[in-house]
Amino acid sequence: DIQMTQSPSTLSASVGDRVTITCRASQSISSWLAWYQQKPGKAPNLLIYKASSLESGVPSRFSGSGSGTEFTLTISSLQPDDFATYYCQQSYSYPWTFGQGTKVEIK
Amino acid sequence: QVQLVESGGGVVQPGRSLRISCAASGFNFSNCGMHWVRQVPGKGLEWVAVIWYDGRNKYYADSVKGRFTISRDNSKKTLSLQMNRLRAEDTAVYHCARDASDTPLVMDNWFDTWGQGTLVTVSS
Repeated sequence: DIQMTQSPSTLSASVGDRVTITCRASQSISSWLAWYQQKPGKAPNLLIYKASSLESGVPSRFSGSGSGTEFTLTISSLQPDDFATYYCQQSYSYPWTFGQGTKVEIK
Repeated sequence: QVQLVESGGGVVQPGRSLRISCAASGFNFSNCGMHWVRQVPGKGLEWVAVIWYDGRNKYYADSVKGRFTISRDNSKKTLSLQMNRLRAEDTAVYHCARDASDTPLVMDNWFDTWGQGTLVTVSS
């Protein structure tokens, strides 16, 4: 199975900050990576697919980059609604696996 | 609007069975691959199973293979997960999720619509 590792596990930031979350795959997954946002008690919400494609309706302050084994999710200017947990997920090979999550907290 | 609503969760004893379901609305269910993804409360996400649009192809995580069966009824727009020989480690919120592909014969294997989930607790 492909292991997905996110860093950091927790991130403290302020409104307006630029935030970057890293996701590393245990082997190359080309650009087959998705990012999700999850708020407490809610279902995950797709933000980014194929590493850098923005899902319809997602604010443009979210962006994704990377290929191979290293990927990043960037929030250009953190908004109050963005405090949540973020997960990466590889869709390169079965079984589809997720990172452990990165919680973005208010500083 | 596009919606997925799970039902059927509850408390069940180890070794027993439970069937959970997911009702779809607002989209052409019969054209979409569907997945189950679970989440232990307060923990991360684990993909569980997938079924192709026509039900012909199914794949499972090793942790549930041989115990869980995914199925669908396209006439009723319903996805199901039959869970047998349940274990304490199966305790989780089970989400149904729609595959993002808009082409029936191709699976993207990322998830563009999720249900809120149904909690399954395996405990004596």
